[in-house]
Amino acid sequence: AAGVIQSPRHLIKEKRETATLKCYPIPRHDTVYWYQQGPGQDPQFLISFYEKMQSDKGSIPDRFSAQQFSDYHSELNMSSLELGDSALYFCASSRGSPSSEQYFGPGTRLTVT
Amino acid sequence: AQSVTQPDIHITVSEGASLELRCNYSYGATPYLFWYVQSPGQGLQLLLKYFSGDTLVQGIKGFEAEFKRSQSSFNLRKPSVHWSDAAEYFCAVGPNNNDMRFGAGTRLTVKP
Repeated sequence: AAGVIQSPRHLIKEKRETATLKCYPIPRHDTVYWYQQGPGQDPQFLISFYEKMQSDKGSIPDRFSAQQFSDYHSELNMSSLELGDSALYFCASSRGSPSSEQYFGPGTRLTVT
Repeated sequence: AQSVTQPDIHITVSEGASLELRCNYSYGATPYLFWYVQSPGQGLQLLLKYFSGDTLVQGIKGFEAEFKRSQSSFNLRKPSVHWSDAAEYFCAVGPNNNDMRFGAGTRLTVKP
């Protein structure tokens, strides 16, 4: 069965650079969620989109922005990267909002040097 | 505000032994409760969830959890642990599936 696809899987950036993470939800899923998981930390909810509109906002820094496109894929844009942004970024998708279950992607590991 | 506490950072059990991972939550209404498992370098996989109804919930891989409102707990159990169960386990709570808050996680080590 198709799963959530995230690209790239690994990304290395320097401080003050920008990064774009992409998420392709499971087909027919209309909601995407972004989470940040720092080293040894629990996942922290960043932001979610339902039908291309922002549906909920968590602890997303102002330096980050995200959007969901007409094909339901989502991109997380991160600017002025800081060392503390190094983390595993998960995308999840679901059908409907609220939904009964989120399906998580494998994550993008971002390293900021 | 909703919050989740997983009191045990790390648990070690022998293969074949029973397992119980603790989860306590703080929430003003009846919460949605979840248990996820994360293997190293992998994403989160949902083991089970509780929304309403029967307080004993069966999940995948032989796991179950019991919702106890009086104790604000949602502990995860498995009668006999397999070596492949070694992973990080996260309890999560939310008003719905949109806005979950995760616990800090419990790392499970399985001894042969």
